[in-house]
Amino acid sequence: GAVVSQHPSRVICKSGTSVKIECRSLDFQATTMFWYRQFPKQSLMLMATSNEGSKATYEQGVEKDKFLINHASLTLSTLTVTSAHPEDSSFYICSAGPGGRGETQYFGPGTRLLVL
Amino acid sequence: AQSVTQLDSQVPVFEEAPVELRCNYSSSVSVYLFWYVQYPNQGLQLLLKYLSGSTLVKGINGFEAEFNKSQTSFHLRKPSVHISDTAEYFCAVNPASGNTPLVFGKGTRLSVIA
Repeated sequence: GAVVSQHPSRVICKSGTSVKIECRSLDFQATTMFWYRQFPKQSLMLMATSNEGSKATYEQGVEKDKFLINHASLTLSTLTVTSAHPEDSSFYICSAGPGGRGETQYFGPGTRLLVL
Repeated sequence: AQSVTQLDSQVPVFEEAPVELRCNYSSSVSVYLFWYVQYPNQGLQLLLKYLSGSTLVKGINGFEAEFNKSQTSFHLRKPSVHISDTAEYFCAVNPASGNTPLVFGKGTRLSVIA
C-alpha cells in the first residue's frame, strides 16, 4: 500500500510555544490530506481537510488560528499548533489517498504532542 | 450524512478462539467500507476494504469481513486469534462520491488472552 509519513513522531514543548507537524505522502501525490486528533482510548476526530494550493477546511469547533494548516505541495501538508497549551496535548494523525472515488486513505504513524 | 456504530467497545477473547467485531453503518448514499487496526502509539493500518463485487472480503493477518447491505453491516471476523492481534479496531465508511474524509466508529478494543 501507499506510504504516509509524519514528523516528528513525538514532541514535548513548553506552554506558549508553537509546534509544526509534517505529513508527507511518499509514493503518491495527494491533492487532499486530512488531519485528525485522537484522545486516549477514543476514536479519531477530524480536525480539518487540507487542500493543496488553497485554504484548509476546518471542522466545527476547531480554531483556525490555533491550528494552522499549509498544503504547499502535492506531497506535503503541515499542521502548526500555535501557542500550545497543555490541553492541546494529544495524538495527531494525518491521512492521504491517491485520489479517486472511495479511494483508500492511508494514515501516517501519528505525532504524540505533550505540552508542559 | 453517514454514521458508524461499533457495538462492542471491548472484546476479550482467548488465544486461538474465533472472534467477530461488529460494525453497522447508516448512510443515504452508497458507501465504501473499511476496517483499520491501531496498535498502541501508532497510526492506523488498513486491514481490508469493500468497494464492490464479492461481499466477502479477505484482508491481512487472516481477517475477513462480510458486507451485508440489507442489514447495513460489515462485521470483521478471524477464525483463530493470536496474542499479537491485541489492538484497537476501527470500522469506517467513505461516501462513494470523491476524496472525502472517513467516518469512523468509536473503535473496539480486542484483547487476546493467553
